[in-house]
Amino acid sequence: GNSVTQMEGPVTLSEEAFLTINCTYTATGYPSLFWYVQYPGEGLQLLLKATKADDKGSNKGFEATYRKETTSFHLEKGSVQVSDSAVYFCALSDPFQGAQKLVFGQGTRLTINP
Amino acid sequence: DVKVTQSSRYLVKRTGEKVFLECVQDMDHENMFWYRQDPGLGLRLIYFSYDVKMKEKGDIPEGYSVSREKKERFSLILESASTNQTSMYLCASSLGGYQETQYFGPGTRLLVL
Repeated sequence: GNSVTQMEGPVTLSEEAFLTINCTYTATGYPSLFWYVQYPGEGLQLLLKATKADDKGSNKGFEATYRKETTSFHLEKGSVQVSDSAVYFCALSDPFQGAQKLVFGQGTRLTINP
Repeated sequence: DVKVTQSSRYLVKRTGEKVFLECVQDMDHENMFWYRQDPGLGLRLIYFSYDVKMKEKGDIPEGYSVSREKKERFSLILESASTNQTSMYLCASSLGGYQETQYFGPGTRLLVL
């Protein structure tokens, strides 16, 4: 079945550090890939997405590239802020699964210290 | 902006009680979803619905049922709450299509004693 694996957290960085959160996936078809973010006390919201191989999604200084050859969708940001502290979820949606079922990774908690 | 609202932010119930969690979306979305979120497990799909009165089981439907009588409202029902159903419950909605963004409510944290 389909699955998403994220790097283990928690991750703690200093402000202005470079961020990478690894995400790899297994899918039977050609999935769309998503990064969602959950700020403290809130629901999830879409951060960025990519719908085909070699697409790059970007938003708020974050970016991720859909790499079919390595089945990866790593999240990166060049200079993190304290306000980026949140839980980040990688997810996929596979058209062969029918409807729009998202499969999520386990989440990575990120803390940015000033 | 899409708005997904959930009836309660926090709930405390006793074992064996019947529990109703309500979700309403205001963007005429076809699809609605119920997930539970547990530490280290991410989000797991309980049930989803792609149309009024239509429902499909997700990955962990045991102990839950759902109702969708109107397009904007999707209810999750715990027929007889148990302590292992203590969790955060998240509702989401989306337009049809596997590339579409899902929009999430703020979540309901349920404690079953």
